[in-house]
Amino acid sequence: DQQVKQNSPSLSVQEGRISILNCDYTNSMFDYFLWYKKYPAEGPTFLISISSIKDKNEDGRFTVFLNKSAKHLSLHIVPSQPGDSAVYFCAAQGGGADGLTFGKGTHLIIQP
Amino acid sequence: GAVVSQHPSWVICKSGTSVKIECRSLDFQATTMFWYRQFPKQSLMLMATSNEGSKATYEQGVEKDKFLINHASLTLSTLTVTSAHPEDSSFYICSAPGHLNSPLHFGNGTRLTVT
Repeated sequence: DQQVKQNSPSLSVQEGRISILNCDYTNSMFDYFLWYKKYPAEGPTFLISISSIKDKNEDGRFTVFLNKSAKHLSLHIVPSQPGDSAVYFCAAQGGGADGLTFGKGTHLIIQP
Repeated sequence: GAVVSQHPSWVICKSGTSVKIECRSLDFQATTMFWYRQFPKQSLMLMATSNEGSKATYEQGVEKDKFLINHASLTLSTLTVTSAHPEDSSFYICSAPGHLNSPLHFGNGTRLTVT
């Protein structure tokens, strides 16, 4: 039973446009959410996070939105750049566990 | 720069042999480290939580006798895949929490291929 779901395995976006990556979760005990970016054969790199007491967190081109009632979060990247092409993992934490629960990832492809 | 160093980055071994993977926290102490495994096109799956000075905590379905974890110091955790089989071939990644309230930092992972 997957507690963190990323239903889009891949997403293609034109350079300069907005990329929106979605993530849903089922465990209501999760209270901290993170987005990681991963290149092939490398470990994930932390991108941005949000606590459950907030509904939005912004850092430069990256914004994460959290809708607790819908158990949904999204990552917005604007404007999208070629270097943003990577796999993006949504992760959640909480319920007394320190480890992260990851989604399956979304492969973002930025087209010139 | 990297805050978690993982070594080796890739390894090829024969069936039946054992492989040790090291995970080091750089410039900070980590009483807890986490070991993940990723299959192609799959999410990162938590295998175990490594605790300095005590036994590791394994997730359900992970064989503790097969994946030996040793957290001998505050900056080093090792994962040993014992009697490796081809189905153990995977990408193994360690992580450690940094300072208070900081997100987990990940090593660059180890690509294990068992022939």
